[in-house]
This record gives sequence, C-alpha cells and structure tokens, in this order.
Amino acid sequence: AQSVTQLGSHVSVSEGALVLLRCNYSSSVPPYLFWYVQYPNQGLQLLLKYTTGATLVKGINGFEAEFKKSETSFHLTKPSAHMSDAAEYFCAVSRSTGNQFYFGTGTSLTVIP
Amino acid sequence: GAGVSQSPSNKVTEKGKDVELRCDPISGHTALYWYRQRLGQGLEFLIYFQGNSAPDKSGLPSDRFSAERTGESVSTLTIQRTQQEDSAVYLCASSFKTSGVGAYGYTFGSGTRLTVV
Repeated sequence: AQSVTQLGSHVSVSEGALVLLRCNYSSSVPPYLFWYVQYPNQGLQLLLKYTTGATLVKGINGFEAEFKKSETSFHLTKPSAHMSDAAEYFCAVSRSTGNQFYFGTGTSLTVIP
Repeated sequence: GAGVSQSPSNKVTEKGKDVELRCDPISGHTALYWYRQRLGQGLEFLIYFQGNSAPDKSGLPSDRFSAERTGESVSTLTIQRTQQEDSAVYLCASSFKTSGVGAYGYTFGSGTRLTVV
C-alpha cells in the first residue's frame, strides 16, 4: 500500500528565504514520486517528478527535490522564495506499474513580503 | 484540445438535486481520472477509466455517485440527491499511458467547484 505524509499543513516564509516542504512516503514497492502545485482556483500543475536515475530532481520555477530512500522522504526545496510561490503544494506517490496517485493532504505556502 | 477542460467551473445546487459534471480530456489520452478535493484536504480518488476496459470505481463514496465515459472521449460524473458533504472541488485528469502511469503523470483540469446549499 502507498501513503504520503506532508508535515505542516501551513508553512510561512519570508520573501528570499529558503523554502522547505516536507514529504514522507510509505510504499511496498519502489515508488514514483511527484510534487504538484495548485494556485488558487486552478488545477494541479506538475512541479517535478522522480522515477529512476538521479535522486536530485530539478523542476520548474527553481524548485528541486531529493529522493532519499533511507529516509523515505522526498522534500521539496527552493533556495529563495518569491511572492509568486504562494500556493498549495501536494506530494504524491505512484507505483511504477500503478494507475493512480496517492496524494498527501497538501501544504499551503505563504510568502511574507 | 490543448488541456483538460472541465465544466462548469462553478456549480451551486440545492440539497437533494442531481448534478452532472463534465470532463473533456486531452485528445489521445486513454486514461481518465476523477478526484475530489474537499476544503483543507488532499485529493481523494474517485474513479478511473482506461480505454474501453471496465472502470475502477473503488473510490466512489456511495451509490449516489456514478461516472461514464464513452471510449476515449468526454466523461461525466453524476451525483444524485446531493448532500452538503458533497461540496468540494471535483478534479479530472487524463494521462497518455494506461499502465505505469506514474512515469508519465497526469494533466489536471481546473476543476468544478460544487457547493451544495
């Protein structure tokens, strides 16, 4: 079975500060891992994904995430927060042969000017 | 079309009424999914269509919920006798691959915000 835990339903950072959004997963098989972003009144947009290969994955808008198997984590980071980063962020896991995602409950990011 | 299109974008309905939500997937995407997103919660899987195969209905919360899709075209999600707890954003997503979809990810629509009053 797959599940995803996102620590912190709300995170606030100052503009220019480091963004760190945490995601831990449980999976009975090697997972595929994803981060999605949802801006107000919009659908989910793929930020980045890990399937195989390099464990440090770079995505859009300067975000990156590192797959750490030993920690079963896939935390999302960005060195310097921008006001436009304010949104809801969802971590998701899928099996390599699976047909659906299992989403975390989301983390709302607020960027303070 | 270029993206996944959902209609209506907003729907307010009275308790007990039936509603029908529409999803138009990306052309060529064989897999289609419906998710529900309640306020302050994550996405809840509802149903999955894969080409002409029998759909995976394991996520439908009750028999008031049903969905149809003809071939690889438009899908409709119907909620009968709506209840206040049905209020949520209903998201549709489509994917090119029908198996191992994790490698390809989904393309989401903007959702339908349903409010039951």
